[in-house]
Amino acid sequence: NAGVTQTPKFQVLKTGQSMTLQCAQDMNHEYMSWYRQDPGMGLRLIHYSVGAGITDQGEVPNGYNVSRSTTEDFPLRLLSAAPSQTSVYFCASSGVFNQPQHFGDGTRLSIL
Amino acid sequence: AQTVTQSQPEMSVQEAETVTLSCTYDTSESDYYLFWYKQPPSRQMILVIRQEAYKQQNATENRFSVNFQKAAKSFSLKISDSQLGDAAMYFCAYRIRVQGAQKLVFGQGTRLTINP
Repeated sequence: NAGVTQTPKFQVLKTGQSMTLQCAQDMNHEYMSWYRQDPGMGLRLIHYSVGAGITDQGEVPNGYNVSRSTTEDFPLRLLSAAPSQTSVYFCASSGVFNQPQHFGDGTRLSIL
Repeated sequence: AQTVTQSQPEMSVQEAETVTLSCTYDTSESDYYLFWYKQPPSRQMILVIRQEAYKQQNATENRFSVNFQKAAKSFSLKISDSQLGDAAMYFCAYRIRVQGAQKLVFGQGTRLTINP
């Protein structure tokens, strides 16, 4: 029972590089989302998706792109990494509204 | 504004004693869910307890219980018989529906230390 799987767990990038954080879930959940967690703060919503082919912006979307071609996968792309994007990133999924979200283990991303 | 406020950045408690973490929130929605998540040093987000806003009865999960005051928009977490494994960051959050989607709003967290 894998749940929500995020890869990689750690990544170091140089300013200006691009990369994709992967997220996959095996629970057939329609709703998936990406959060970032900065020191001393809770999680803030970057982008979310309510189903395959449907995505929308959250609270802090600038500098990130997402797509949802399948129910299972919801990758997060950093187009041109900046030091301000150094953070821990969490992917989450959920089914119907009255069920809690399931979180991945997070990706620690450092931008030098 | 949709916000969650955890007014205690840090709390500490002696092992086996009881501690209460406070949380207030602000939403104009009537249909929402409230959650407490635990984040140990492993960084995992672990669901501790949840409360449906339409239920007056306070949720309980073993040693964890909540005091849900809907009119005051207050949702505190009580941990009884504290154990060393309870040491973690605790986040309060609520979830609402926004244009067919779900929005989860988190507080800034309370770091709980358990003293042996």
